[in-house]
Amino acid sequence: NAGVTQTPKFQVLKTGQSMTLQCAQDMNHNSMYWYRQDPGMGLRLIYYSASEGTTDKGEVPNGYNVSRLNKREFSLRLESAAPSQTSVYFCASRLGGAGVGETQYFGPGTRLLVL
Amino acid sequence: GENVEQHPSTLSVQEGDSAVIKCTYSDSASNYFPWYKQELGKRPQLIIDIRSNVGEKKDQRIAVTLNKTAKHFSLHITETQPEDSAVYFCADVSNTGKLIFGQGTTLQVKP
Repeated sequence: NAGVTQTPKFQVLKTGQSMTLQCAQDMNHNSMYWYRQDPGMGLRLIYYSASEGTTDKGEVPNGYNVSRLNKREFSLRLESAAPSQTSVYFCASRLGGAGVGETQYFGPGTRLLVL
Repeated sequence: GENVEQHPSTLSVQEGDSAVIKCTYSDSASNYFPWYKQELGKRPQLIIDIRSNVGEKKDQRIAVTLNKTAKHFSLHITETQPEDSAVYFCADVSNTGKLIFGQGTTLQVKP
């Protein structure tokens, strides 16, 4: 199993450009999450999908949209990138339910620089 | 709202000493508390977790304690080694699975 994968690994954008970050998991997990990590800020939740067909806002959703394409894939879209969106983006997934289903597994991250 | 406070923000110890990181949460409904370790340039990795029906959990040199009454939980690392150097995050998990992270603690273990 590859676990949680993300593409691309690195991206440089100009202000106003759009792009989509891709995330996929092969663990048959029900829930998926997008976080951003800025220096000294820890990880902050952008959007999440508790189950296929549902999405909800997290702490910092402004400027982003998401799509839960199917059970495996959860994409994050920046419609008009801004320098404040320069960050490292992590996707995560969890099975759901009690016990071991609570553990979240993270992808390798996407480093985004907006000029 | 949901909030997790983590202290200290940086911690420097000599190899072989113990390290303790503390977190306080605000959501009384929280019942699952994971700790993640993040090495430079890498993804967060779960190192230990604890559930609200347990007061302490240990895994080799790592232990976590939970005080639900006071709403705080702590990570204890004994006999620290240079490879323990990393950023450590505590988290609070809501019943929808949302992770609310603490601000992180940068641990430096000096040889």
